[in-house]
Amino acid sequence: RKEVEQDPGPFNVPEGATVAFNCTYSNSASQSFFWYRQDCRKEPKLLMSVYSSGNEDGRFTAQLNRASQYISLLIRDSKLSDSATYLCVVNRGGSQGNLIFGKGTKLSVKP
Amino acid sequence: DAGITQSPRHKVTETGTPVTLRCHQTENHRYMYWYRQDPGHGLRLIHYSYGVKDTDKGEVSDGYSVSRSKTEDFLLTLESATSSQTSVYFCAISDPNREGGETQYFGPGTRLLVL
Repeated sequence: RKEVEQDPGPFNVPEGATVAFNCTYSNSASQSFFWYRQDCRKEPKLLMSVYSSGNEDGRFTAQLNRASQYISLLIRDSKLSDSATYLCVVNRGGSQGNLIFGKGTKLSVKP
Repeated sequence: DAGITQSPRHKVTETGTPVTLRCHQTENHRYMYWYRQDPGHGLRLIHYSYGVKDTDKGEVSDGYSVSRSKTEDFLLTLESATSSQTSVYFCAISDPNREGGETQYFGPGTRLLVL
């Protein structure tokens, strides 16, 4: 099993749609989880940290399932500006510097 | 946005030449990182630093060296560039988050082409 695995997509959705991404991770010792967003030819930018209880930020909801070792990101009421690649990031546990990045899921929101 | 700059932003060089990339931060963060990003791969860690003169290897460190003589600067050197080092290089800095983990913030990247 790969350390962090994401469906590469692309997910092509109409404006206003709800879309969900899943990410699985292999290291049960992982403690920190994140979703980053990366626009074409730009740097990754932190979208959300994912906490044990799940968290919501406007149209975005992140959830963590430790038992099944997966993280999800839900985007409601998709906007054209949501088009980007979404990176799932997990730490290996232990000291800093131990982040593992998924290859990303590409989202394209169409008018 | 985190105060991170990278220079140069683009570089074309020839195989066998040395190349140095610079990362500069104004956030006074202790940790700094160099990653490369290639199609079909996630971001991969090259080297990181946990303080001035304190560095360690990442998963793809062969062919690269780093130095950190000041908190704000982290240099990545390709001693003798090869075509396989053609990539986009990102610098990142981190600070602890509220749960004791880390959140990394990225610089704008350097696109390197080795001919």
